[in-house]
Order: sequence, then C-alpha cells, then structure tokens
Amino acid sequence: QKEVEQNSGPLSVPEGAIASLNCTYSDRGSQSFFWYRQYSGKSPELIMSIYSNGDKEDGRFTAQLNKASQYVSLLIRDSQPSDSATYLCAASGNTPLVFGKGTRLSVIA
Amino acid sequence: EPEVTQTPSHQVTQMGQEVILRCVPISNHLYFYWYRQILGQKVEFLVSFYNNEISEKSEIFDDQFSVERPDGSNFTLKIRSTKLEDSAMYFCASGTGVWDEQYFGPGTRLTVT
Repeated sequence: QKEVEQNSGPLSVPEGAIASLNCTYSDRGSQSFFWYRQYSGKSPELIMSIYSNGDKEDGRFTAQLNKASQYVSLLIRDSQPSDSATYLCAASGNTPLVFGKGTRLSVIA
Repeated sequence: EPEVTQTPSHQVTQMGQEVILRCVPISNHLYFYWYRQILGQKVEFLVSFYNNEISEKSEIFDDQFSVERPDGSNFTLKIRSTKLEDSAMYFCASGTGVWDEQYFGPGTRLTVT
C-alpha cells in the first residue's frame, strides 16, 4: 500500500516566521512530488513540484527532497495570515498521485 | 490564466439516481483526472483519461462509475446509481504530462440523500 504521511497539525507560527512542513512516502519508486495548498471548502492549488534531490525555490516557498530518506519538505518564509490553510503532499512514480491527509497551518498575526 | 472549470458546484440527489458531473479541462492539456475527497479525509484518485480512453483507475472506480469526453472540451463523470457513501467533493484535474503537475478545478459537492 503506497502511503504518504504528514503530521496533521495544527502547526501554528507567528506572522513573518518560517513554517516548516514535512512529508514521508513509502513507495521508493516515487519520482514526482508535489505540494498543494487547500483552503477550507476549496480545491487543492498546486504550489510546488520537485523531482530531484535537493532544494527548489519559488518566491517564499522552498521544497526539499531527500529520496534516500523518502522525505519531502516545504518551507514557507515570511509566513502571512493568508498562508493559513491545509498543505497537501502528493507523490507519484508513474502511477496515480497519492496524497497525504495534509498539515493544517495557522499563521498568527 | 487558464483554469479547470466544473459544474455544478453543488449537486443534491436521491440514493439510486444517476448524476453527471461536468468538467472543462485546461485547453492544451491532454491528461484528465477525477478525484474525490470525503469530508475530513484524503484526496483519492478515481480515474485518469488520455487519448479518449481510461489509462488507469482505482478500486473505487467500479462499474457504477464511467467517464466520457463527449466533445473537444468537456470531460464528464457519471455515477449510475448513487449511494449515500458517494457523498463527497469531486475534483476534476488536468495536466500536460502523465502524472506530472495537475491543476484542479473548484470541485462539485455531491450530496446523496
């Protein structure tokens, strides 16, 4: 059974701080990794994709991948109250996307 | 910016009725997907569609479900005889490459009574 695990949170950070979200996956064949943001009652919104080991930066977001440890993370710098949402990690290995349950992030003003 | 659209936003139906959920994927995308999310649970893959045929489906996607691309823009999910447990958010997604970045529509909330 292919699984993606995330701490459900909530993770609370003050405005302006760095939020760190983590994810592990069980399928060593996974090759593509994605972070989605989901506001309550809304659909998942793609934030980042990462395919190779290391860091990938896009604005305030940095995704990190370590395939040896089967670990993916998302850093959000200068967190804003509008970043408060559930963050979904998803993995694929030329197979259907498997989503984690998500980590709820709360940014306190 | 192009986006995936879905209609209706909310559908209420009685158990045993048929429903059709509609999606318009992003125009230059070739891969289309349906997912569902039961309240408080994970997003779950249902089916993928490419080149006018199903490329992969999950265990959830049983004989009660079918998909169709009736014309060059629409992509539909039909549930033949709805059950109470089919109540969920149904999301359509599309992408340019298989299992590559996928962009989700706003979803249809299906309520089966």
